[in-house]
Formats: sequence, C-alpha cells, structure tokens
Amino acid sequence: EPEVTQTPSHQVTQMGQEVILRCVPISNHLYFYWYRQILGQKVEFLVSFYNNEISEKSEIFDDQFSVERPDGSNFTLKIRSTKLEDSAMYFCASSSRGAEQYFGPGTRLTVT
Amino acid sequence: AQSVAQPEDQVNVAEGNPLTVKCTYSVSGNPYLFWYVQYPNRGLQFLLKYITGDNLVKGSYGFEAEFNKSQTSFHLKKPSALVSDSALYFCAVRDAWSSASKIIFGSGTRLSIRP
Repeated sequence: EPEVTQTPSHQVTQMGQEVILRCVPISNHLYFYWYRQILGQKVEFLVSFYNNEISEKSEIFDDQFSVERPDGSNFTLKIRSTKLEDSAMYFCASSSRGAEQYFGPGTRLTVT
Repeated sequence: AQSVAQPEDQVNVAEGNPLTVKCTYSVSGNPYLFWYVQYPNRGLQFLLKYITGDNLVKGSYGFEAEFNKSQTSFHLKKPSALVSDSALYFCAVRDAWSSASKIIFGSGTRLSIRP
C-alpha cells in the first residue's frame, strides 16, 4: 500500500539555523500539506499546496517558513532561522480529490 | 470557524467491552468528518470518514462512527475492544467546499484498554 514518507525522522539543530524537512507524498496525489504537533498539544495546520502554489496557510506559517515541490516527487518545508518554539513533530500529508489526507510518520525537530 | 471538541482526555475500557470515544463539531456548512489514530512514535493513520449518506460509517480495525447532525456529534465506537486498540485518537473536520482545505483536529483522546 502506498504511503507518505518523511526524512529525516529526527533533526536536531541550533537556534538560528536553517532546516529543510523532506516528504515524498503518495505518487498520484495532487494536494500536499504540512502540519505540526508540539509535544502534548493538538495537531496544527501549517500550509496546503496545490498546482505548484500555496492554497492556504495558517498564521503560524510566517515569513520564516516556505514550501517547495522541487521535482515530481518531493515536497519540502524550509524553516529559515529556527527558534526554540519551532521544536515539534512535523507531519506531511497528501490527498487525491477524495476527502481524507494521508499522513507521513513525521519528523521530530528539536531546536537547541 | 470550524472546530472540533473531544471532551475526554482519556477513556479506559476493559478488553472485550464496547468502547465509545466522543466528538462534537462545529462548522458553517456541510462537514467532512474523520477519525485518525496515532500510535506511539508513529504518524496519524486514517480510520474512517463521513462525507454524506448513511449516518453509520465503518472503518479500519472494526471501528465505526455515528454521525448525528442534530447533536453535531461524530462518536467513534467499537463493539469489542482489544488491547492493541490502545492509542491516541483524533477527531477531525474539514470544509467540504475545497479539496485543498485544511483538516482541523480535536485535542485527542487517549484510549487505554486493560487486559
């Protein structure tokens, strides 16, 4: 069964550094998303992406964040200058024209 | 604005007993409703969805959920719990108007099944 994959599984970075989180969505899906889950809190929407542009973004997704689909398979989330409060589990998701989204296993980002 | 409420942080059930995990929602239009499950150190796994049609929807691992429009609820149920059902369960809602719409998650309910 096809699934969403994410790399790395755990990323440790120093405050102020740039990080790129990578995702490979399910191959025939058209809609791509990033969510995050701060430890002990609910899953929060960051951004959705369709047809090579951002469809919607939350207030969390400020100028420090960007997304890109550099080729036909990868979908990346970049944080330009990480802050301590960016420490969280980041989930990539994808969907076809159906309702449900399929999530990857997540990347745990730790900012020190 | 859309929202989802899961009133119980934790639900404890004995193995073999029926279980219910509660969820209520608030949306302005027609909702798409979902249940996801999260096992330790794993991502969110899709369990089931309600879009339209029968109010009782069946999903993976023997789970089902009942959509109740008048009570704006979408409770998750299983007739006979297994220890392996122990996990964190999230109710979620999405706008029906756009395929790119974000999913709004509830705060999660930790389900613990004792042998």
